[in-house]
Amino acid sequence: SQQGEEDPQALSIQEGENATMNCSYKTSINNLQWYRQNSGRGLVHLILIRSNEREKHSGRLRVTLDTSKKSSSLLITASRAADTASYFCATKDDYKLSFGAGTTVTVRA
Amino acid sequence: EAGVAQSPRYKIIEKRQSVAFWCNPISGHATLYWYQQILGQGPKLLIQFQNNGVVDDSQLPKDRFSAERLKGVDSTLKIQPAKLEDSAVYLCASSFDRVGNTIYFGEGSWLTVV
Repeated sequence: SQQGEEDPQALSIQEGENATMNCSYKTSINNLQWYRQNSGRGLVHLILIRSNEREKHSGRLRVTLDTSKKSSSLLITASRAADTASYFCATKDDYKLSFGAGTTVTVRA
Repeated sequence: EAGVAQSPRYKIIEKRQSVAFWCNPISGHATLYWYQQILGQGPKLLIQFQNNGVVDDSQLPKDRFSAERLKGVDSTLKIQPAKLEDSAVYLCASSFDRVGNTIYFGEGSWLTVV
């Protein structure tokens, strides 16, 4: 079974708009990570937020974490066509990284 | 720095046949992972090695799947006999150590069982 659940399953936006996706999880974690997967490729690590952090930024990415609600969100600002991909949240306990089912983002030119 | 290498990239086999996938992790990475990703789903951990020892294989279907990492570097994942539901991408990944927070993935080996 998978730890995280992403919402929505799919998202279609216009280039330049922001994209927001959410992740909910069930058990306690050490950190939560977001990965991107382009079609037919492997996963690429985007950003990590620790359990004692509430918000983190990296370039056009903004991640929030609410451990009381066991949820996280990923915001991609000023989206580009190259952002078209599937995005996965992954929760880390001591040693194991468990992935959700992902959100498929399509950015229309 | 070379990434995680996997081969073959694509494989089509008939059910009940066998298949093997090979992975070479990033140099110096002690922890190696095999994930199974079925179309439309997130990756599911099959097995995790720390050097050449198994850390977690709780989700590996041991009646048909096996994996080894004999010298603590390369790894092989084998499926025998394959079933239709084994059609998936098999992703190898590595991290510096067991606590490593960033996992680096290979491009995956796509398996179709017909």
